[in-house]
Amino acid sequence: GDSVTQMEGPVTLSEEAFLTINCTYTATGYPSLFWYVQYPGEGLQLLLKATKADDKGSNKGFEATYRKETTSFHLEKGSVQVSDSAVYFCALSLMNYGGSQGNLIFGKGTKLSVKP
Amino acid sequence: NAGVTQTPKFQVLKTGQSMTLQCAQDMNHNSMYWYRQDPGMGLRLIYYSASEGTTDKGEVPNGYNVSRLNKREFSLRLESAAPSQTSVYFCASKIQGATYTDTQYFGPGTRLTVL
Repeated sequence: GDSVTQMEGPVTLSEEAFLTINCTYTATGYPSLFWYVQYPGEGLQLLLKATKADDKGSNKGFEATYRKETTSFHLEKGSVQVSDSAVYFCALSLMNYGGSQGNLIFGKGTKLSVKP
Repeated sequence: NAGVTQTPKFQVLKTGQSMTLQCAQDMNHNSMYWYRQDPGMGLRLIYYSASEGTTDKGEVPNGYNVSRLNKREFSLRLESAAPSQTSVYFCASKIQGATYTDTQYFGPGTRLTVL
């Protein structure tokens, strides 16, 4: 079935380090892809998204490129800050999934801790 | 705009008790969702409502019921709570059910413990 696989965490980095969180997907159609971020004690908020192959989503220094050939949507940031400490979720949305368009399928999440 | 609001923020129940989690959005969105978040499991869809007047089961609907009271409000009811329902519950909304590229907006969550 349709699914999202993320690298397992936790990931611990020093401030200003380079970040990559891997995300791959399996989908029967052509999904839209999303990264959501969850700060401690809060709900999820959209970080970035891409709706078709080769699109690049970007926000707050984070980037991810929709790679159809490798079915991937890896999240990257060149220089992380302590304030980026959070849980990051990769998700996909398919047309006609479960009888209703637009439902999200989530990966299990990757916890990032950034140390000063 | 308050966005998506949820009440209560925290709740402790005893096994067999019932309760209703409330969710409201003020963004004039058509679609609304209930998820549960468990450690190491990501978010799993319980029920959704693509538009006012319709509700459908998601991945893990057993033990829950929902009501789409109007366009703004979507409640989740536990009729007889079980310890397996200990979780964090998130409500979300989206502008239009028929568009799979749109963003879902999440509430702050309800942390439920069933003893």
